[in-house]
Amino acid sequence: KQEVTQIPAALSVPEGENLVLNCSFTDSAIYNLQWFRQDPGKGLTSLLLIQSSQREQTSGRLNASLDKSSGRSTLYIAASQPGDSATYLCAVTPSGGSYIPTFGRGTSLIVHP
Amino acid sequence: DGGITQSPKYLFRKEGQNVTLSCEQNLNHDAMYWYRQDPGQGLRLIYYSQIVNDFQKGDIAEGYSVSREKKESFPLTVTSAQKNPTAFYLCASSMGVSPLHFGNGTRLTVT
Repeated sequence: KQEVTQIPAALSVPEGENLVLNCSFTDSAIYNLQWFRQDPGKGLTSLLLIQSSQREQTSGRLNASLDKSSGRSTLYIAASQPGDSATYLCAVTPSGGSYIPTFGRGTSLIVHP
Repeated sequence: DGGITQSPKYLFRKEGQNVTLSCEQNLNHDAMYWYRQDPGQGLRLIYYSQIVNDFQKGDIAEGYSVSREKKESFPLTVTSAQKNPTAFYLCASSMGVSPLHFGNGTRLTVT
């Protein structure tokens, strides 16, 4: 069964820092990997989706990379801002079966001014 | 604008009562999902449906029931058999393996 781990569980950084969030998965037979943002009491907002054949995706200050062979993905946030404060979750969709995503527990990020 | 609507946002019930959470989407997505989220936990799959009139149990289906009579609607009933129903419930939809779209959630409190 696929297991998805996100490290660290929580992170507090000063504004302006570049930071990296990690997501690891145990089964490399994946279809895609998706990064989400969740604000307190809200649903999840999709940030980036990387197909298994891709190495990275970029959107503004966000860059997500995927190394399928080692079972790892990173989300890089450049020049962090207080508005980036949220919980970031990754989800891995398997390449076979029902294509149901498995989620990590998330990394809670606080960017302080 | 297309999206997923969950209602109500907050729901309070007495122990022993069944309660139904609404989820409606106008994205024309085939697949819909219900997740439960507890503090410090990831999302756990309750039920999913990949086509109308068909649904499958997820990892924690005990004490829950669903129906999928229409493509755009996937209501979740939390029954009195669910031992710890207080949680944040999230509904999502997708077209095949396309990105998941989420609603804003329903926070259920059972006392």
